[in-house]
Amino acid sequence: GAGVSQSPRYKVAKRGQDVALRCDPISGHVSLFWYQQALGQGPEFLTYFQNEAQLDKSGLPSDRFFAERPEGSVSTLKIQRTQQEDSAVYLCASSLGHSGANVLTFGAGSRLTVL
Amino acid sequence: AQRVTQPEKLLSVFKGAPVELKCNYSYSGSPELFWYVQYSRQRLQLLLRHISRESIKGFTADLNKGETSFHLKKPFAQEEDSAMYYCALMNRDDKIIFGKGTRLHILP
Repeated sequence: GAGVSQSPRYKVAKRGQDVALRCDPISGHVSLFWYQQALGQGPEFLTYFQNEAQLDKSGLPSDRFFAERPEGSVSTLKIQRTQQEDSAVYLCASSLGHSGANVLTFGAGSRLTVL
Repeated sequence: AQRVTQPEKLLSVFKGAPVELKCNYSYSGSPELFWYVQYSRQRLQLLLRHISRESIKGFTADLNKGETSFHLKKPFAQEEDSAMYYCALMNRDDKIIFGKGTRLHILP
């Protein structure tokens, strides 16, 4: 596609609900990153993939957060039993992922509001 | 541990005045550094990267390994420069982390 696509753009969940956020990276992009951006803050690293391999998930806040990229393309970030502190914009970004080409292209983000 | 610090949350500068957005990093190896920008109602996008050593929209940034800094500079601010600016670091494993950002407000 022309850019990184994220869905849904907006999600309102009741506390305790499970949510799934989808990211469609640019075709051919090897690396895919997930970030959490709270209001007025910078993007906080959650996890990243090279192809289907999840290389680092150290930023996931708790075991309620899970990310996958089974075929090395589309990725899903799942949050179980959502809490109010999970409210944030979740940004996905992708890159070609090799030396000299690690520029991130960002999606528009998925804004999650937990009531 | 790797870290990116942007000490200023907000920087207000008059149009035509010089701009300097500060960025300091903590990393034991040789990082690759970037500046990303987010204009109002737009997506986060790359502004420049240190390995390119180029000037984009009049902005430059020099990597100072001694001071572990990568400050963003522009000699004459323009109103369209108003935006959120984020400094970012990539480590040897290609993991990219961001600072908390500085809002640049250009005053007329």
